[in-house]
Amino acid sequence: GAVVSQHPSWVICKSGTSVKIECRSLDFQATTMFWYRQFPKQSLMLMATSNEGSKATYEQGVEKDKFLINHASLTLSTLTVTSAHPEDSSFYICSARDIGWVFRESDNEQFFGPGTRLTVL
Amino acid sequence: KNEVEQSPQNLTAQEGEFITINCSYSVGISALHWLQQHPGGGIVSLFMLSSGKKKHGRLIATINIQEKHSSLHITASHPRDSAVYICAVQGTPNTGNQFYFGTGTSLTVIP
Repeated sequence: GAVVSQHPSWVICKSGTSVKIECRSLDFQATTMFWYRQFPKQSLMLMATSNEGSKATYEQGVEKDKFLINHASLTLSTLTVTSAHPEDSSFYICSARDIGWVFRESDNEQFFGPGTRLTVL
Repeated sequence: KNEVEQSPQNLTAQEGEFITINCSYSVGISALHWLQQHPGGGIVSLFMLSSGKKKHGRLIATINIQEKHSSLHITASHPRDSAVYICAVQGTPNTGNQFYFGTGTSLTVIP
């Protein structure tokens, strides 16, 4: 299957600093990437949908000024957690959707990155 | 009320047993996904279904659109199948293709 990478895999930072997480599709082009967060022992929560070349669409309750998303190319989306606080500590996961061929059944298929564990002290 | 309900929440099985995880949803969907999350957190997409049945190795996924229900089956379970299995549905264009996630089923397969 297609490969999605995330960097870094884990990060520890001080409260008040900003942290950037990268999500890359390595062997395919992705017009759409998704960002999720997962609290311990809970399921995934979609934070935002990132479309290449346009502004991200944020889910209700997610602060767009807090979680800055940039999708500058078809293979890279970044999530920046600004002025991080301990409550932002979480597991952040991205996924990417292959452009594919328009009528291919797997148009909706997503490929997930390995996740980034953020700990804010 | 959750749009996606999974059962059971936790499941322990002996190696070799046949396992079934169920998923029910209440929204109109364009696709249903079964995801596998390993203890380290990494997620693998197992299946994407919009109708019928798919099989990959020892894994089988079925969906009944009329009943809004899907099942994930694991035949001849193995300890390496131990993971959290998440059912996720993708809404229709009317709902912005929004994703809804189940809370996951934690599977432990004992040797």
